[in-house]
Amino acid sequence: GIQVEQSPPDLILQEGANSTLRCNFSDSVNNLQWFHQNPWGQLINLFYIPSGTKQNGRLSATTVATERYSLLYISSSQTTDSGVYFCAAPGNAGNMLTFGGGTRLMVKP
Amino acid sequence: DSGVTQTPKHLITATGQRVTLRCSPRSGDLSVYWYQQSLDQGLQFLIQYYNGEERAKGNILERFSAQQFPDLHSELNLSSLELGDSALYFCASSAQGAMGEQYFGPGTRLTVT
Repeated sequence: GIQVEQSPPDLILQEGANSTLRCNFSDSVNNLQWFHQNPWGQLINLFYIPSGTKQNGRLSATTVATERYSLLYISSSQTTDSGVYFCAAPGNAGNMLTFGGGTRLMVKP
Repeated sequence: DSGVTQTPKHLITATGQRVTLRCSPRSGDLSVYWYQQSLDQGLQFLIQYYNGEERAKGNILERFSAQQFPDLHSELNLSSLELGDSALYFCASSAQGAMGEQYFGPGTRLTVT
């Protein structure tokens, strides 16, 4: 099945800093999602981005499907951005998502 | 709020017991997925139902089973529970089968003692 890898595994930022999170996948995909898992465990949809670039406030994402990677940009980080960021993609057999290992982000005030 | 609901939010039970987790998908979504998040295995797909029928199976143990009812809600049954079954269980739903964005419920945190 598809392999999904994320980097870095951990990231500590000062409030106001910018960051880039990376997601590599081993096969072509027709769907890629980014999630934020908050400290309460809830998985929040950030982007559904099979290809191209999307922006939502301080967050934006770019997927380059031909090169099998996606990037999540966080600008002017806030303490509420802390948590774990996951990317996930479906395998060829269906729409079930394979998740990367996540990037654990801590934003310090 | 994703529109996907799960009950209960927390469940504490003993080894050997059986529990049922419930999920209601977003209005109109026909696909329901179950995922398990544990410390050692990360987030893993368990099983998918589409309009009442099993569509795909992942790393689901034989002690676990699921079904989707005519009103589209789904239940995940976990039996003969072991300590290692302690995890956060998520339900997700999507509108389309092959390419739909999945929306996740708040999860059920299961603790087996």
